[in-house]
Amino acid sequence: EVQLVESGGGLVQPGGSLRLSCAGSGLSFSNYWMHWIRQAPGKGLEWVGNINPDGTETYYVGSVKGRFTISRDNAKNSVYLEMNSLKVEDTAVYYCTPKVYWGQGLFVTVSS
Amino acid sequence: QAVVTQEPSLTVSPGGTVTLTCGSSAGAVTSGHYASWFQQRPGQAPRTLISSTNNKHSWTPARFSGSLLGGKAALTLSAAQPEDEADYYCLIIYSGVGEVFGGGTKLTVL
Repeated sequence: EVQLVESGGGLVQPGGSLRLSCAGSGLSFSNYWMHWIRQAPGKGLEWVGNINPDGTETYYVGSVKGRFTISRDNAKNSVYLEMNSLKVEDTAVYYCTPKVYWGQGLFVTVSS
Repeated sequence: QAVVTQEPSLTVSPGGTVTLTCGSSAGAVTSGHYASWFQQRPGQAPRTLISSTNNKHSWTPARFSGSLLGGKAALTLSAAQPEDEADYYCLIIYSGVGEVFGGGTKLTVL
């Protein structure tokens, strides 16, 4: 059974930082592009960014470029999302996914 | 950044057929955009139905199919069931740039 388990979410003040982690099991993790996708309360899905299988390429949506960084450790079957200079509008449920399997997501709330 | 457009809402009768579309402001959607389709029921995480335009997964009900139609990606649901009532999202890959979701289609089975 494939599992994707996100961790590291929570409440953070505007301007703060947070690091999300995602651990995968039951899949050939190192073969997949991994994506972070978010969903603000009551809104649609938004693609945040991705990383290629060997971690040498990353792409981001314009609104997070320069603030968010995606990395991975294939030895640990894990992908990470480093979020800096957080804004209220970054409040959302964050999912890590290879776009085939999905975890339950992680709440990130940016509020003072 | 390109804008991806979906019908905001559609209604289908039980047993009926409906087609959801996914267009791009950057031009025609082709197989090179590797469109994906996702279903999201209220309070649940998304579920992947279709990858790379028309590839189903083991869990994808046979009544769902993906295609290209008139310059757009399309998701066709045949013989709709009550449990198909959900939000549906398409995702388009823009090579070397990134990926963009459509705004989603709220499908009602009524």
